[in-house]
Amino acid sequence: DGGITQSPKYLFRKEGQNVTLSCEQNLNHDAMYWYRQDPGQGLRLIYYSQIVNDFQKGDIAEGYSVSREKKESFPLTVTSAQKNPTAFYLCASSPDRGFGYTFGSGTRLTVV
Amino acid sequence: RKEVEQDPGPFNVPEGATVAFNCTYSNSASQSFFWYRQDCRKEPKLLMSVYSSGNEDGRFTAQLNRASQYISLLIRDSKLSDSATYLCVVRSDQAGTALIFGKGTTLSVSS
Repeated sequence: DGGITQSPKYLFRKEGQNVTLSCEQNLNHDAMYWYRQDPGQGLRLIYYSQIVNDFQKGDIAEGYSVSREKKESFPLTVTSAQKNPTAFYLCASSPDRGFGYTFGSGTRLTVV
Repeated sequence: RKEVEQDPGPFNVPEGATVAFNCTYSNSASQSFFWYRQDCRKEPKLLMSVYSSGNEDGRFTAQLNRASQYISLLIRDSKLSDSATYLCVVRSDQAGTALIFGKGTTLSVSS
């Protein structure tokens, strides 16, 4: 079955570490997105990519980096510059404008 | 003014009740509209797209009023399984293809 897979489901990071969250899709979707969700808050856009080798900053890109070397993959790195990284991270993809997203099941990142 | 605003609730209703959620959006250039459902600690899932003519899917009816920049979701004959957070979502061409999410309205259906 086609879908979008995020890993790991839970991730613990020490202060000062960089960590990378994986997102892979086999839906042949062109566009992929990363959102962050904090308790009681809406989803906030971190980065998005509409095509391979191209990506754009969203509303809260500071302290994050991404790459899009393959259509199927859009990994997110949470760097040590992100001061409050504890959150629920959601990856999504869509085929084109006008369509809704398919979400992965998310990664819960906690700083310890 | 926030781009997408929703009443956070919670809405607490008995089984069988009819409940309506409202949403307003600030960007008149918004082109696409959706309702998503999010269960506790899970990812959002697309409930339905919202069209200018209004659309219905079983017990769920969505309406769009572009002049008032207002979107609604009506749930009839509420079930226990409808308990979730409902997210109002819009897309503006000015933000590429990215969707803009409201904070959600929480519904709790009790027996």
